[in-house]
Order: sequence, then C-alpha cells, then structure tokens
Amino acid sequence: EAGVAQSPRYKIIEKRQSVAFWCNPISGHATLYWYQQILGQGPKLLIQFQNNGVVDDSQLPKDRFSAERLKGVDSTLKIQPAKLEDSAVYLCASSFQGAVETQYFGPGTRLLVL
Amino acid sequence: AQSVTQLDSHVSVSEGTPVLLRCNYSSSYSPSLFWYVQHPNKGLQLLLKYTSAATLVKGINGFEAEFKKSETSFHLTKPSAHMSDAAEYFCVVSGVGTYKYIFGTGTRLKVLA
Repeated sequence: EAGVAQSPRYKIIEKRQSVAFWCNPISGHATLYWYQQILGQGPKLLIQFQNNGVVDDSQLPKDRFSAERLKGVDSTLKIQPAKLEDSAVYLCASSFQGAVETQYFGPGTRLLVL
Repeated sequence: AQSVTQLDSHVSVSEGTPVLLRCNYSSSYSPSLFWYVQHPNKGLQLLLKYTSAATLVKGINGFEAEFKKSETSFHLTKPSAHMSDAAEYFCVVSGVGTYKYIFGTGTRLKVLA
C-alpha cells in the first residue's frame, strides 16, 4: 500500500515569510497527525485530526500556525509568519483510528528559516 | 501523566556484536509502547510494539524488546549489529488517558566496522 506522502521535502524561507506543507495520509486512515521535530529532539505533536475534526491542538502555536483537513483526507499545515525557531522537520503521520493504533509516518518536510 | 526516558543519547557497537538501547517509561495507565527507527532524511519506521499481550515482542530486522512492568522498562535488543542498523531510535509511550504518542529524545546508534 502507498505510504504517507508529504511535500515539499525541503523548504528554505526567510523569517516573517509564510510557508505551507501538504500531507496525504494512507488511504482509509481516519486519524492524521502533524509533528514538529527539532534537531536533536524527539517529535512533538502539534495537532491531531480525527476525520476532519480537531482532536488535540494543545501544543500548536495558534498565533502563527494553522492546519486544516477539510475533506477528512489530506491536510495542510501553515506557518505565518515564520520565526527562526520554526526551523525543524515537520512530520505527518496517520493511523486507522486513534493514537493507540500504530502511526505511520511520512518522510517529513525539512524547513530552514533564515 | 506519561513520559519516556531514553537513557543513552549515543551508543556505539562493533558490527556483529549485540545491541542494547535502553528505555524507561512512566505511565498511570497500562501503556502501549513502541520503538521506531529513523534513518537519515527518512521518515520514522515502526520496529515493534507492545500492547499488553506477550511481554517479549519481536520486531523487524531481528530486533526485539521486553516489557518489564516491575522495572518500568522496555529495552530494545538485537543479537548482532549490522552496518545498516546505524540510525536514530525512538522509544514511544501511548495509552488510555492520553491517546498521544510521547516520544523519548532518541538514541543514535553507531555501528563500527
């Protein structure tokens, strides 16, 4: 089966610019996650969707980050405006149901903010 | 609250020797535990998972882990390291109450020829 797809793979922007990442989960997976992985750290959950509804966005910096999953399939994560500390790898994952199910991860988008 | 501690940030082994990556967890509930591997510029790949069935869990590529409730540990082992095992390994806890994945800080495994 096809895995989780993400694009772009790499992005370089200047601070205060905006950027968007796209994720297409495994077909049939109801739950979609966005993680931020800063160099040298484990991934941190930003937001979790169940179908097209938000289950958990407690660690999403809502003043600059937004995410949507309008049709319950693919998802977009946006940062506006970007800060230097947003430089990280943004990982998308999906699972069949909830978080106790195995999560399958995409290759990630590596963001560098200059 | 749940948490996970990976006791070593870096581990070096010689090719053909055993691998031990240590993970301790804290959980108020019966946890689910996972090990993931991340090769450079690649996504996270599931190695194995424990979900309250057999305490000794076998995974892919010859890895296995043992759930020890009395020690709150879930250490990852492999009898014989291969060069291709060089990567970052993450221990993850999840379970009833949070339904979140809580990641450890990772252990970078280096395999010497």
